[in-house]
Amino acid sequence: GDSVTQMEGPVTLSEEAFLTINCTYTATGYPSLFWYVQYPGEGLQLLLKATKADDKGSNKGFEATYRKETTSFHLEKGSVQVSDSAVYFCALSAGAGNMLTFGGGTRLMVKP
Amino acid sequence: KAGVTQTPRYLIKTRGQQVTLSCSPISGHRSVSWYQQTPGQGLQFLFEYFSETQRNKGNFPGRFSGRQFSNSRSEMNVSTLELGDSALYLCASSLGRGLAVSAHTDTQYFGPGTRLTVL
Repeated sequence: GDSVTQMEGPVTLSEEAFLTINCTYTATGYPSLFWYVQYPGEGLQLLLKATKADDKGSNKGFEATYRKETTSFHLEKGSVQVSDSAVYFCALSAGAGNMLTFGGGTRLMVKP
Repeated sequence: KAGVTQTPRYLIKTRGQQVTLSCSPISGHRSVSWYQQTPGQGLQFLFEYFSETQRNKGNFPGRFSGRQFSNSRSEMNVSTLELGDSALYLCASSLGRGLAVSAHTDTQYFGPGTRLTVL
C-alpha cells in the first residue's frame, strides 16, 4: 500500500538557520504530494502541494520539489523564524477519491 | 469564506457509550473526509464522503461509521467506545470532482478537530 516516511524529530534550529525536512514516499501511479503544518491545539493547514513530477510547491518561504526518480518531496526553507515552530506532515493522495496518507510528522523547534 | 467547522470541540465520554461528531465543510465543497490523530498511530484516514455516498474507507472497525447530508455536512459516529478511541478527530473538505480518478489532486482543508476523551 501507499506510505510516507519522514525524518523523525524534534528538529531544533536557531533563528535564520536553513531547514530541510526529508520526505520519501511509496505509491502506485502518480500521487499528489502535500506538506501540512499543525500548530499546537489546531488542525492542519496546507503549506504547499505538487501534483506532478518536477513541480515545485512554494509558500511563505517554504519550498518542496516533486522528485519522481527519488520518490521524494523534501521541505526546505532558507531562513526559519521562531513562528515556524510547529509539527510538519508530509502526505500523499493517490488513486480514486480524496484519501491522504500521512507521514509520522516532524516537530520543528526554532530558538531565538 | 468560512472555513471547515467541527462541533463539539471537546467531548468526554465513558467506555461503552456512543458519540456523534459533526462537520460543516467550506461552502461549495462536496467531499468530506475524516481522520483520527493519536500520538501512537499518527494521522489515519477513516472515510470519505462525496455526494452523500461513501467513496473511500480506511481500516477501522465497523464501530466507526459516517454519513453525509444533501448540504454536504457530515457526521461520524463511534459506537461502544473504547479507551483507545481517545483521539483528535479531524474533518477535511475539498471541492470534490465528479471523476474520482482526478480527485487526488484536490487540496483538503482541515477543521480544528474534535478532541474526544474516553474514560
